[in-house]
Parts: sequence; structure tokens; C-alpha cells
Amino acid sequence: KNEVEQSPQNLTAQEGEFITINCSYSVGISALHWLQQHPGGGIVSLFMLSSGKKKHGRLIATINIQEKHSSLHITASHPRDSAVYICAVRSENFGNEKLTFGTGTRLTIIP
Amino acid sequence: KAGVTQTPRYLIKTRGQQVTLSCSPISGHRSVSWYQQTPGQGLQFLFEYFSETQRNKGNFPGRFSGRQFSNSRSEMNVSTLELGDSALYLCASSLTSGSRIDTQYFGPGTRLTVL
Repeated sequence: KNEVEQSPQNLTAQEGEFITINCSYSVGISALHWLQQHPGGGIVSLFMLSSGKKKHGRLIATINIQEKHSSLHITASHPRDSAVYICAVRSENFGNEKLTFGTGTRLTIIP
Repeated sequence: KAGVTQTPRYLIKTRGQQVTLSCSPISGHRSVSWYQQTPGQGLQFLFEYFSETQRNKGNFPGRFSGRQFSNSRSEMNVSTLELGDSALYLCASSLTSGSRIDTQYFGPGTRLTVL
């Protein structure tokens, strides 16, 4: 079982729909990151969370440390939101920190 | 402010050769992290450098190494290349390191093909 699981793997929605992408992890973490990767490979860091909720424009990210779960929400989705969304958790083991990535959720927004 | 730059953007090597990739972080950033992305394994963390010191590392063999210079530029070296090393190699820079990292800024990547 992967340390970081994302769902769904693929998501197609109509423009304007509310989108939710989920991330579950099995290890203790110090932080969780949400990344966006557009076709062509460019990666943008969206959020870093260690607790609670963050909002940036139409994007909202939440984390529940007790349940080891995070969600990324997109309100009023737009075709330009089409991308792969990747969850990554930062964990520490004997003083060494590492990032472990989920396999990503491919989101397609249809006009 | 200029973004993170990586050189070269594309590289073709043969098995057994070695390769060095370069990453120039955003001005003022002292942390550089390296990642490997493949279709099969996805994104994987290689290592992180901060102020010329390797602070954290992932689970890659010793063939993968790196260093950081006093101007924060970083290089990654892979020796004795294998076919499975074909990947997109990404670097990212940030102001702080480790769990204090709030935002990482990613470079465009170097696509390495091993024949």
C-alpha cells in the first residue's frame, strides 16, 4: 500500500462544477503540500498545510491530521484548471525529512 | 525576479555514462531540492540542499549525488547510467528548508533519455 493515496485518479467535470480531490496518507507528517502540474510538465506549488484550512482564490485546501486526510476543492471550475493535482507529505525519520508524493489526480474541465 | 532555471533542458546519454544536471534557484533562495518524475513511479524525492549542505535525502542509490555551491546553484550527478534513469528531473528552490518550507518554486525540468 502506498504511503500517499489520491482519489479519484481521473476526474472530468463541466465548467462551473465544484471539484473535490482527496488525499489520504498513512504516516505521521509535519506538512502536506498540494501541487499543480500542467501539460508540458510545469509544476506550481499551491498550498502547504500543517493544520486546518487555507484558501487562495477559487482553491481551498483542508487537512484533518487525526484522520490523516486532506482535500483540495476548486469552486466554479474553469477549463484552465485542467491539470494534474498532486498531494505530497513531508515526514521525518531519524532526523531525515523526505517528501512522498501521491500518484496525482488528472482533472479535465469541459467548457 | 527570474524563476528557477535548469540546464540542459534535454539530454540523451547511453548506458554506463554519467551526467551532470544544473539548477539555478531564485535569487535569495538558499534551499534546492531535486526530484525525479517517471511515468511508472511518479514524482520521487532525491535530496535537498541548504547552504551548501545536504539536509535531507530520499531512497535513491549512491549513483545519485549532488552538491550546492556558495551562490546556491546546485548540480546533480548520476553515474553509471541505467535505462531506468530515463526521467524528467526537476529542481525546486525555496527560502527555507525542510518542514519550514512554505512554497517551493519549480524549474522546467531536464528530460534525460538513456539509450
